[in-house]
Amino acid sequence: DAMVIQNPRYQVTQFGKPVTLSCSQTLNHNVMYWYQQKSSQAPKLLFHYYDKDFNNEADTPDNFQSRRPNTSFCFLDIRSPGLGDAAMYLCATSRDRGRTEQYFGPGTRLTVT
Amino acid sequence: GESVGLHLPTLSVQEGDNSIINCAYSNSASDYFIWYKQESGKGPQFIIDIRSNMDKRQGQRVTVLLNKTVKHLSLQIAATQPGDSAVYFCAGRAVGGSNYKLTFGKGTLLTVNP
Repeated sequence: DAMVIQNPRYQVTQFGKPVTLSCSQTLNHNVMYWYQQKSSQAPKLLFHYYDKDFNNEADTPDNFQSRRPNTSFCFLDIRSPGLGDAAMYLCATSRDRGRTEQYFGPGTRLTVT
Repeated sequence: GESVGLHLPTLSVQEGDNSIINCAYSNSASDYFIWYKQESGKGPQFIIDIRSNMDKRQGQRVTVLLNKTVKHLSLQIAATQPGDSAVYFCAGRAVGGSNYKLTFGKGTLLTVNP
């Protein structure tokens, strides 16, 4: 009964080699978020989609991009991963952007070699 | 903006005891707060939320208290069990501006000793 699914759970990529992480949801929520979480730190919001409207956080590097081809799927593209991009990447959804709960996926652990 | 932080990075309790995890926030206009539990290698899991028009909300074995006067909230876990061992994050939403954005605190690691 998974509601927010992330694939793969573990991803290893080489320095500078583009990588794509995927997220899908069965909740039919309007909003999908991508967070970066480094070890022993809180999740940090990278960007979100409200329906098809993309909203980037001011401090998100240009190296990070996202696509949302339909309601159910959202992708995180890292164009040229650096060693500092190794982290857990969390996808979350919410029904809307107001005072509603965000549901998180299990995350993708990215390793950069 | 919103700044949310936790008083203690770690908390160790005995099984069966009650646990209290504290969180402070800086923006008095914040109107919504969530507590998340994150087990090792997993995504955050919703525990309980509270709106600013409330000062207390109870769930199953958990209670969240909100004190708007001192901008403080706490998560109380009754009869703590080994399965409660995890990192607990509070997150707050500020009214206006980026009103979609939850700002997370640093997290408290709760360890339950059998």
